[in-house]
Amino acid sequence: EVQLVESGGGLVQPGGSLRLSCAASGFTFSSYAMSWVRQAPGKGLEWVSAISVSAGSTYYADSVKGRFTISRDNSKNTLYLQMNSLRAEDTAVYYCAKDVYSSALYYMDVWGKGTTVTVSS
Amino acid sequence: QSALTQPASVSGSPGQSITISCTGTSSDVGGYNYVSWYQQHPGKAPKLMIYDVSNRPSGVSNRFSGSKSGNTASLTISGLQAEDEADYYCSSYTSSSRGVFGGGTKLTVL
Repeated sequence: EVQLVESGGGLVQPGGSLRLSCAASGFTFSSYAMSWVRQAPGKGLEWVSAISVSAGSTYYADSVKGRFTISRDNSKNTLYLQMNSLRAEDTAVYYCAKDVYSSALYYMDVWGKGTTVTVSS
Repeated sequence: QSALTQPASVSGSPGQSITISCTGTSSDVGGYNYVSWYQQHPGKAPKLMIYDVSNRPSGVSNRFSGSKSGNTASLTISGLQAEDEADYYCSSYTSSSRGVFGGGTKLTVL
């Protein structure tokens, strides 16, 4: 079964850090671009970041650039999102998603169930 | 990197057809045929319904179709069914190689 499972969410104070992980199974992880997408409570989807198959290219939304770092370990079939200098507006459910293609065209056909990040004092 | 523009809500009766628009710019929707649409039911992860403007992934009903004209993409759902009631989001590749979503449209089946 094709599956993505996120972990690492939780409650963190403003200015703090968290590292999200996304474990992939059931497909050749190293052959697809991957993205993180978030959804604040009661709000719409927001694309956050993407990474190419070899991790040679990474992309970030303006809202997180300079604070978040996406990475992947193809030997462990795992995607990561290091989140630093967290703000209240980063509070959201964070989804990892697989692209249909090896290039990041943002056709995300497999999604995890999400992990919740809450930034609050 | 502004969000694509979608109507906040649309509605239709069972059996009818509805269309949801998604307006961007020449730097995203208008510049590339890399538009996709997602369906999201409450408390669930999004589901890919359309990619490459008009292609349906395996398993998606042919009642769902996509198109594009200029800077505006559209999702049409024909033969509306109760289970189609959900939030719908468009997405596009952009000139900066990043992604962008629309604000989302809530579909109500009357």
